[in-house]
Amino acid sequence: QLQLQESGPGLVKPSEILSLTCAVSGDSIISSTYYWGWVRQPPGKGLEWIGSSYYSGSTYYNASLKSRATISADTSKNHFSLKLTSVTAADTAIYYCLGNPVLYDGDANWGQGSLVIVSS
Amino acid sequence: PVLTQASTASASLGSSVKLTCTLSSEHSSFIIAWHQQQPGKAPRYLMKVKSTGIYIRGSGIPDRFLGSSSGADRYLTISNLQSEDEADYYCETWDSDSNWVFGGGTKLTVL
Repeated sequence: QLQLQESGPGLVKPSEILSLTCAVSGDSIISSTYYWGWVRQPPGKGLEWIGSSYYSGSTYYNASLKSRATISADTSKNHFSLKLTSVTAADTAIYYCLGNPVLYDGDANWGQGSLVIVSS
Repeated sequence: PVLTQASTASASLGSSVKLTCTLSSEHSSFIIAWHQQQPGKAPRYLMKVKSTGIYIRGSGIPDRFLGSSSGADRYLTISNLQSEDEADYYCETWDSDSNWVFGGGTKLTVL
């Protein structure tokens, strides 16, 4: 069964880079079965897609983030990462990684989430 | 695509409730996914629903959760409501450029 686990600092200073990693078990991130993505949820608000990647190397990003986000993969560790630059307090949120299946009959799988607070 | 959901819904314990996710009109043929987020927890995938009304539940999702469709509307019906069904419910879709989109979510209260 596919499992995802986020990790990274819980506190980031304004204007610095937010970095998170999602460790994947139960499948390879270089399989064609899933899109691998990041979703965030500010306190008390809804879900916002940040971006996603595919085994081919293609990446896709929410235009509202104005090119601040970068998703990359480390196939040797079977994990993928998110970097978000120039963070502000508005980037304070729970960050989830998500494996979204390519096929209709596949299950989506969420990580448990990682709270990141942007504060000096 | 844009996904529109009512912000709140409520129903009594043991009854049924039908939640709606409306696609923007030009995307009325899109498949959507439903996710449940219980208080303080990560979201959990429930099912996908096609425009034809055909749906497929995720692994381990009880058969009290049903999907259906009409035009641009996609529905999640929960029957025999339990206290643990009190949660936020989000719909999601994805466009031809592989952008993912979430609805604003519906907060379900079980009375």
